[in-house]
Amino acid sequence: KQEVTQIPAALSVPEGENLVLNCSFTDSAIYNLQWFRQDPGKGLTSLLLIQSSQREQTSGRLNASLDKSSGRSTLYIAASQPGDSATYLCAVIHNQGGKLIFGQGTELSVKP
Amino acid sequence: DAGVIQSPRHEVTEMGQEVTLRCKPISGHDYLFWYRQTMMRGLELLIYFNNNVPIDDSGMPEDRFSAKMPNASFSTLKIQPSEPRDSAVYFCASSPEDRGLGYTFGSGTRLTVV
Repeated sequence: KQEVTQIPAALSVPEGENLVLNCSFTDSAIYNLQWFRQDPGKGLTSLLLIQSSQREQTSGRLNASLDKSSGRSTLYIAASQPGDSATYLCAVIHNQGGKLIFGQGTELSVKP
Repeated sequence: DAGVIQSPRHEVTEMGQEVTLRCKPISGHDYLFWYRQTMMRGLELLIYFNNNVPIDDSGMPEDRFSAKMPNASFSTLKIQPSEPRDSAVYFCASSPEDRGLGYTFGSGTRLTVV
């Protein structure tokens, strides 16, 4: 059974700092991995999608990496801003079937 | 495209009442998913459909929950009878046949059962 773990559960940093959020999964037979952002009381916004054949994806100040063999992904946020404050969720799709399995999320707070 | 559309946004109901949540996926998407989010359990997959056919309903908590997808543009999640422990945010998501293109989520329905 695929399990997804995110560390840390919560993170508070001063504005301008670079930071890394971690995601690990137990079954490396994944189709792809997707990072989402969720603002309080809101839905999920897709940030980055990494196919299983890819090593990383970049969008603006965000960079996500994937190491399938070790079952790990990281989301790097450069020059953090207060507007980055949200919960970040990592999710994987197994090779077979269409399930998107989520981690519990990392709650990020960026202080001005 | 307007994205995945869910209704209602908020629902407050009394214990024992029937609740129906609605979802319109993105046009052309072949997969539709229902998730439930709570503080204690995070995001849980309840059921998903492929081309309107239920593929996996192992996440449906009990017989009080049922889901249908009568056509490619509409799905419902029904709870009957509702209980206070069903209070949660229910999300609908859709994706194209090529799962490599990722999933798109609706804004969710916040259900409160009193």
